[in-house]
Formats: sequence, structure tokens, C-alpha cells
Amino acid sequence: GQNIDQPTEMTATEGAIVQINCTYQTSGFNGLFWYQQHAGEAPTFLSYNVLDGLEEKGRFSSFLSRSKGYSYLLLKELQMKDSASYLCAVNANDYKLSFGAGTTVTVRA
Amino acid sequence: KAGVTQTPRYLIKTRGQQVTLSCSPISGHRSVSWYQQTPGQGLQFLFEYFSETQRNKGNFPGRFSGRQFSNSRSEMNVSTLELGDSALYLCASSRDSYQETQYFGPGTRLLVL
Repeated sequence: GQNIDQPTEMTATEGAIVQINCTYQTSGFNGLFWYQQHAGEAPTFLSYNVLDGLEEKGRFSSFLSRSKGYSYLLLKELQMKDSASYLCAVNANDYKLSFGAGTTVTVRA
Repeated sequence: KAGVTQTPRYLIKTRGQQVTLSCSPISGHRSVSWYQQTPGQGLQFLFEYFSETQRNKGNFPGRFSGRQFSNSRSEMNVSTLELGDSALYLCASSRDSYQETQYFGPGTRLLVL
């Protein structure tokens, strides 16, 4: 099976930076996705990495190292609306995504 | 472009009943995947359909089934409902290849009593 690990919870202050790590052990690799999910809502797509390196999208950046089976999502200039669960998902070698359990980020004033 | 839509949004059933959930993908998307989300297990893959064919299946019992129509709309069915089937059922669509981003619908929240 696929194994995807990420921390359960993180807390940070408004305006700060938070880094959510994700490590994975999968039978193959066709890309890693990050999704944001607010309570009671559907996951929304944040980023996609298939090659090593950093992808930047505004306040959000995602990094991938395939050799280390490691990714992180960096949230900068945190806002209260960033309080949500962040899901790391890997497409191994088929048409399905395997998700980590999610990291709940709480932003405090 | 309209997003993924799912109906119904909320459903209450009793044990032993069956239920059918519907998903309409984003226009032009031909792949539809279904996931079950529970607090304890997180997001679990159920199955994926493309061109009316099931291409992949997760580790769920045969009580969970699905189908896809020629217009890419998809349905999933759960027969003989159990209390443990209470969950948020999410559908996601993508254009095709397994490297494509999946976009999620709002989900159907199923409560089994």
C-alpha cells in the first residue's frame, strides 16, 4: 500500500509563516498534490509538483524532493482564513490519489 | 465554467437501505473519481471511471458500486447500508491522464441511523 505521513496539527500566528511537511512511500510516483479543506467543505486544489524543486503561487509554495520522498507546503503571511486542513496526496502509478490524514492549521490573532 | 456538482447534499438513511449518489463533472472532464471521507480514516479512494469504464477500484466491499454514463455523469450506489457508511462522499473530476489535477465537488453527507 501507499504510506503518506504529515503532522496532525500546527498552530501559528497571523502574519507568520508555517511549513507543513509530507513524507511518502509509494509504489510509484506520478505527482504530488496539496489540497486545502475548510471544515464542512470540499477539498480545493492548491498545488501540484511532479519534478523536484519549488513551485510558488502567491502566498503558497510547495517543494518536492523525489529522491527523499518528501514535500512541504509553505504558507506565508498567514491570514485567519488560512485556518483549515491541508491534505497531501500522491498519485502513485494509477488513476487514484492516496491522501495523507491531513494537517489542521490553526491561525491565531 | 461550472464546477463539479453532487446531489443530494445531505441524506439520512437507516441500516439495510440502499442509496444512490450522483455526480456531474466539470464540462470536458471525462474522469470521475469517488472518495469516502470520515474523521477516523480520512479520504479513502472508492473507484474511478473513464469513458463509462471503471479503471481503478479501492479496497471497499462489493456493496459499494458505481457507474458512469456517456455524458460523463456518474453515480455511486451503496446497498445494505451499515452505520459505518456514515461519511462525506466526495466526487472529483479531471480531464484524463493520471497526472491531471482532480477537482472536487461539495460532497454528499450521508448519515446512516
